[in-house]
Amino acid sequence: GQNIDQPTEMTATEGAIVQINCTYQTSGFNGLFWYQQHAGEAPTFLSYNVLDGLEEKGRFSSFLSRSKGYSYLLLKELQMKDSASYLCAVNSWSYKLIFGSGTRLLVRP
Amino acid sequence: GAGVSQSPRYKVAKRGQDVALRCDPISGHVSLFWYQQALGQGPEFLTYFQNEAQLDKSGLPSDRFFAERPEGSVSTLKIQRTQQEDSAVYLCASSLPRQETQYFGPGTRLLVL
Repeated sequence: GQNIDQPTEMTATEGAIVQINCTYQTSGFNGLFWYQQHAGEAPTFLSYNVLDGLEEKGRFSSFLSRSKGYSYLLLKELQMKDSASYLCAVNSWSYKLIFGSGTRLLVRP
Repeated sequence: GAGVSQSPRYKVAKRGQDVALRCDPISGHVSLFWYQQALGQGPEFLTYFQNEAQLDKSGLPSDRFFAERPEGSVSTLKIQRTQQEDSAVYLCASSLPRQETQYFGPGTRLLVL
């Protein structure tokens, strides 16, 4: 079966660092995506990992371990505008994205 | 540049009514996807087009759901005889050939009463 798990909700303080974990079990794997989704808006692309290791992009970093079926998204220097849902998605069979339920992040002053 | 656009943004339908949801992908994107997102959940795959060819419709929940992309650009998702369980946000995404990243539109929020 296909299964992607991520925490339902997280809370963090403005200026802090937060790590959102994602574990997956899928029948195919062609990379892992993180998307940000503000309420009522489109998911927007944050990162893509296909090889093991850390990808850094500004305040956001994403890590992948294929052998462990594990990824995390690291957000540094949190800002209020980072309050959103963060979606972990596995690309299986070259095109189909399988999403987790999303992690709602609340950033408090 | 212009992103993926969808219309209408909101649709209220009476149970049993037919609806049509439109997606305009990013220009040049040959791959087009439809997803269904229930409240508080991640998007779920419905169907996939490459140009005008529908290569995968395995995620369509029933034969009441039908999607087309006759000229390889704009796509329409049609739901016949809508039911309350069809209430969700319907997201469209597109991507370049041989590119993995999918770019999403804002979605159509469908409420069936």
